[in-house]
Amino acid sequence: NAGVTQTPKFRVLKTGQSMTLLCAQDMNHEYMYWYRQDPGMGLRLIHYSVGEGTTAKGEVPDGYNVSRLKKQNFLLGLESAAPSQTSVYFCASKWASFMNTEAFFGQGTRLTVV
Amino acid sequence: AQKVTQAQTEISVVEKEDVTLDCVYETRDTTYYLFWYKQPPSGELVFLIRRNSFDEQNEISGRYSWNFQKSTSSFNFTITASQVVDSAVYFCALSEGDSGAGSYQLTFGKGTKLSVIP
Repeated sequence: NAGVTQTPKFRVLKTGQSMTLLCAQDMNHEYMYWYRQDPGMGLRLIHYSVGEGTTAKGEVPDGYNVSRLKKQNFLLGLESAAPSQTSVYFCASKWASFMNTEAFFGQGTRLTVV
Repeated sequence: AQKVTQAQTEISVVEKEDVTLDCVYETRDTTYYLFWYKQPPSGELVFLIRRNSFDEQNEISGRYSWNFQKSTSSFNFTITASQVVDSAVYFCALSEGDSGAGSYQLTFGKGTKLSVIP
């Protein structure tokens, strides 16, 4: 019963390096989201997907790209990491139906860009 | 645009005291959901409660209770007889309803850090 799994859990990057964060869910959810959490800022939406092959920008999309090639996976990419992208990243998924709107979150990925 | 305000940044209470965490929201939707999540020191996000905009009944679950008042756009959370294990950051969140883009994304408040002192 894995739920939402994020890989990796921790990562240190040098400025300018690239990386991909993987989010995998086994609940057959249509909707998936990437949030970032910064001290005193709560969680802010980066990008989201309402289904396989579709993605859209959230509140803070700059510097990130995403892909949803398979329904169960949602990838977040940083092409050229910057210190401002140091954050904790959370992936979430939920059913498409509005009546079932509980979002399930992964354990988070702590990313440090030096 | 949606907005969630948690005016209390940090609260400290002594164990067994009651504590109320405030949440005020803004939305133009007539149908929406409100949530509370708990983030313990270990970092994961734990779902606590979901409430839809048509259900203003207060809810009690053990030591936890929630007071939803549409007239004041508030969804406050009370912990009775607090315990050290309640120490965490608590987030209030809002999910759009019928007039949004259909993403049903969560808009979070900035969180309230609760410290329960033994």
